[in-house]
Amino acid sequence: AQKVTQAQTEISVVEKEDVTLDCVYETRDTTYYLFWYKQPPSGELVFLIRRNSFDEQNEISGRYSWNFQKSTSSFNFTITASQVVDSAVYFCALLYNQGGKLIFGQGTELSVKP
Amino acid sequence: EPEVTQTPSHQVTQMGQEVILRCVPISNHLYFYWYRQILGQKVEFLVSFYNNEISEKSEIFDDQFSVERPDGSNFTLKIRSTKLEDSAMYFCASSATGPYQETQYFGPGTRLLVL
Repeated sequence: AQKVTQAQTEISVVEKEDVTLDCVYETRDTTYYLFWYKQPPSGELVFLIRRNSFDEQNEISGRYSWNFQKSTSSFNFTITASQVVDSAVYFCALLYNQGGKLIFGQGTELSVKP
Repeated sequence: EPEVTQTPSHQVTQMGQEVILRCVPISNHLYFYWYRQILGQKVEFLVSFYNNEISEKSEIFDDQFSVERPDGSNFTLKIRSTKLEDSAMYFCASSATGPYQETQYFGPGTRLLVL
């Protein structure tokens, strides 16, 4: 079965703290794609990153970094020096290779306080 | 930067009424999707659409739902007879060349409230 688990429902940090959002996935596919999306209070879903199963290199984009580990089926997301504008719900998602169905985790609500 | 657009942003309807949610995918994209998000819950897949037919649908997407690409730019989701439990945010998404690896870009959503 395809499944994504984000065990952290809510996280609250103070500005400038680093924060890591956890994502654990399950799939029987050998080729798969993982994504992170951000949902700010305004409600839209903003694409952040896509990672395929063959590429375990960590990725850094500004204050954002992602750690993909196939051995533990995890795809964690770290925000360095968090800012109030990072406050949002963050979703991890797995692309199911049948019909392009994205399977989302429950989301982690991040609150960054000034 | 090209983006997916959706109209209306909010819709309020009475139970039993039909609603049509509209989406304009990114112009050169070929694959289209609908998802929904009940308030405070995760985003759930409804349907994918390619070449004027449904590629995949979830168990949520029953006979009350239908999708259509009536012209070269719009992609619609119709709910024939709305129920209270259809109240949710509905997201349209599109991807460029295929569903199996391409990133899906989402529109801003339509918030549907069924009374």
